[in-house]
Amino acid sequence: LAKTTQPISMDSYEGQEVNITCSHNNIATNDYITWYQQFPSQGPRFIIQGYKTKVTNEVASLFIPADRKSSTLSLPRVSLSDTAVYYCLVGSYSTFIFGSGTRLSVKP
Amino acid sequence: DAGVTQSPTHLIKTRGQQVTLRCSPKSGHDTVSWYQQALGQGPQFIFQYYEEEERQRGNFPDRFSGHQFPNYSSELNVNALLLGDSALYLCASSSGTGTTEAFFGQGTRLTVV
Repeated sequence: LAKTTQPISMDSYEGQEVNITCSHNNIATNDYITWYQQFPSQGPRFIIQGYKTKVTNEVASLFIPADRKSSTLSLPRVSLSDTAVYYCLVGSYSTFIFGSGTRLSVKP
Repeated sequence: DAGVTQSPTHLIKTRGQQVTLRCSPKSGHDTVSWYQQALGQGPQFIFQYYEEEERQRGNFPDRFSGHQFPNYSSELNVNALLLGDSALYLCASSSGTGTTEAFFGQGTRLTVV
């Protein structure tokens, strides 16, 4: 199971775009890259998943370079409610290793 | 459509006791994974059940065991509880067809005193 490295914390202001980068040097061929959001005392919530290149949904974009050894989660125009911990996960069959995540703090 | 449901939501146990936590997966999901999340830490993978068998296991002692029933619901059992077992226990369900999108329950907060 591949291990991931991401910044411990990030600060932003409402309306800004936030990019969180994750390193996963040991990613395997079958592994997908998945990002989750977690609020205090709640279970993690799925944000986005990708295998290569770029994936976009209604809440975020995920950029994956050709070597797949890193990925970047992009949150457009964050709001106060986006303050949470964001986890980058690598794995298959929903078996993940969670790191410590990135604590995003959005300020007014 | 009910999502992933876990019971109980909170639990207090004494050291040395045994505990059973329960999880009902999201409708249509056949795979259940269990995670332990200590305060301020990321969730740690315990094990995953698919087709009533343990498919993969994390680095947890044998005191942690599980079961999956024919209706895909699952139980997590912890024997000989230690103070360090106090944590939020999360259940995640997914489809065993290979997708890695998992839906998490709200968790069971276990406190060992």
